[in-house]
Amino acid sequence: AQSVAQPEDQVNVAEGNPLTVKCTYSVSGNPYLFWYVQYPNRGLQFLLKYITGDNLVKGSYGFEAEFNKSQTSFHLKKPSALVSDSALYFCAVGGLTGGGNKLTFGTGTQLKVEL
Amino acid sequence: DGGITQSPKYLFRKEGQNVTLSCEQNLNHDAMYWYRQDPGQGLRLIYYSQIVNDFQKGDIAEGYSVSREKKESFPLTVTSAQKNPTAFYLCASSKTRIPDTQYFGPGTRLTVL
Repeated sequence: AQSVAQPEDQVNVAEGNPLTVKCTYSVSGNPYLFWYVQYPNRGLQFLLKYITGDNLVKGSYGFEAEFNKSQTSFHLKKPSALVSDSALYFCAVGGLTGGGNKLTFGTGTQLKVEL
Repeated sequence: DGGITQSPKYLFRKEGQNVTLSCEQNLNHDAMYWYRQDPGQGLRLIYYSQIVNDFQKGDIAEGYSVSREKKESFPLTVTSAQKNPTAFYLCASSKTRIPDTQYFGPGTRLTVL
């Protein structure tokens, strides 16, 4: 079975400071890893994904994520946070043995960026 | 304009009624999914379909039904057997049958009165 853990329900950061949203995963075989963002009462928007290749993945809106196989982590990062980054962030994992294209989502981390 | 549409945006249901949520995509994606979102629980998979006329149960299929008669459409029926249907429902689609980016619709908020 595949699973994702987002250990922090909420992350608070000051505007202009770097931000990190944590994600660890468990899956059989090579992981397919994703980050999504959700604004209130909206659907999820894709930010970035890791399938293979470079461990540092760059995505939309200046976000990036680092794949760490030994720590089974895929933390989301941004060098300088904006107030407009405040939203709910979801990490997701899939694997070829997990049943087709099924993704398992974490419970989400609420990011709050303050002035 | 390509994308996924869900309707209605808000839906109110009386206890004992069945309701159907619409999901349509014009992305030519093979796979489609229905998720339920409750506060603090993330997204839970209800049903998914990787090809027309075929679908599989997800983690919380009880009280729900789906059909996939057309590639573009994947409606979800919330039946009266679903004991706690009030939630935000999200539809998604993806191009391939291996783990790939899923693209989400705007969601339908269902409230039982």
